[in-house]
Amino acid sequence: SQTIHQWPATLVQPVGSPLSLECTVEGTSNPNLYWYRQAAGRGLQLLFYSVGIGQISSEVPQNLSASRPQDRQFILSSKKLLLSDSGFYLCAWLTGNGNTIYFGEGSWLTVV
Amino acid sequence: DAKTTQPPSMDCAEGRAANLPCNHSTISGNEYVYWYRQIHSQGPQYIIHGLKNNETNEMASLIITEDRKSSTLILPHATLRDTAVYYCIVRAKNNQGGKLIFGQGTELSVKP
Repeated sequence: SQTIHQWPATLVQPVGSPLSLECTVEGTSNPNLYWYRQAAGRGLQLLFYSVGIGQISSEVPQNLSASRPQDRQFILSSKKLLLSDSGFYLCAWLTGNGNTIYFGEGSWLTVV
Repeated sequence: DAKTTQPPSMDCAEGRAANLPCNHSTISGNEYVYWYRQIHSQGPQYIIHGLKNNETNEMASLIITEDRKSSTLILPHATLRDTAVYYCIVRAKNNQGGKLIFGQGTELSVKP
């Protein structure tokens, strides 16, 4: 079956520390992968998307970066976290026929 | 992608049908209507999508008006576990960029 997982689920990090959130997809190949952030309120902001290994598109300039070292792995990183990086981060993938985007469980990041 | 308008909140009695409206008057011909829901602290869950015909699956039914300017998500027998924020989104099916514009959604409260 096709599944998506991300971790860690919860993270508390000091300002200036690095960040690494991981996302993996199972049961599919060459998926389109996405990182979203949901800050205060309910809107989702698209951060990065990737259509293949090593291919990353950034939607907004920010303190974060993304990498895709393997076909079904997508990593969200930061070298030095800011307080404003706090939020709920979601990984997602697009089904092969372009129909639907499915989301992971989410990762709560609190920068203190 | 077109903008959607939803009521901020609704109540529904357990066991009754929940009818959630959405206006998308600027929808274009190649855009589908998608519905997601989000329970607190979890990733959005895909519910259903459609283009112009009414759709039904194991979770819900989607009724799209003939002019496609509005739609209604129907949960036929709401349970307490259906309490969540419901998002109506319009998106081009082959939009590989993954841009999903989540508005404020409708907070559905199912009451015993």
